[in-house]
Amino acid sequence: AQSVTQPDIHITVSEGASLELRCNYSYGATPYLFWYVQSPGQGLQLLLKYFSGDTLVQGIKGFEAEFKRSQSSFNLRKPSVHWSDAAEYFCAVGALEGAGSYQLTFGKGTKLSVIP
Amino acid sequence: DTGVSQDPRHKITKRGQNVTFRCDPISEHNRLYWYRQTLGQGPEFLTYFQNEAQLEKSRLLSDRFSAERPKGSFSTLEIQRTEQGDSAMYLCASSLIGGRTEAFFGQGTRLTVV
Repeated sequence: AQSVTQPDIHITVSEGASLELRCNYSYGATPYLFWYVQSPGQGLQLLLKYFSGDTLVQGIKGFEAEFKRSQSSFNLRKPSVHWSDAAEYFCAVGALEGAGSYQLTFGKGTKLSVIP
Repeated sequence: DTGVSQDPRHKITKRGQNVTFRCDPISEHNRLYWYRQTLGQGPEFLTYFQNEAQLEKSRLLSDRFSAERPKGSFSTLEIQRTEQGDSAMYLCASSLIGGRTEAFFGQGTRLTVV
């Protein structure tokens, strides 16, 4: 079964600074990878996804992520953080299991705080 | 299409009562997922449907939890004899069939058991 690890529970950055949120996954084959963002009391919004091909993927709100198979990582980056980016970020891995079953597994999340 | 819709958004119930939540997925989506999220944690998978078939339900937290999707459209999640530990956000998501597809989430139902 697949799993996702987000090593950083809470990160604080200054507005305008760069950001990198870490995500490591465990899965035997090539996974489908996602980053979601969640504002307090709200559902999850998809930021970006990786299925195959170019390992650097662009998402909404200026975010990007890079898939590194050798490191089993899918880190999220943004060159300049805005105060409105303060939220919780979740990395997820999707995988087809036996008998056509599909599993979408989430990490525990990284809470991002932005200092004005 | 307005996306995934969940009802109610908030539910306060007394311990021991039964509660039922509804999820309306994006209309063309075949898959529907239920997740539970407790404070400070990521979404925890509960169950999912492909059309009206419930393909995975072993992760339902106990036999007090059940889900249905009778006609392959909307779904309900029921919790019987609620306990304080059931207090959480219950999230519904939907997607197309296949591996290369993303799940779209609703706003969630916040359950508080008092």
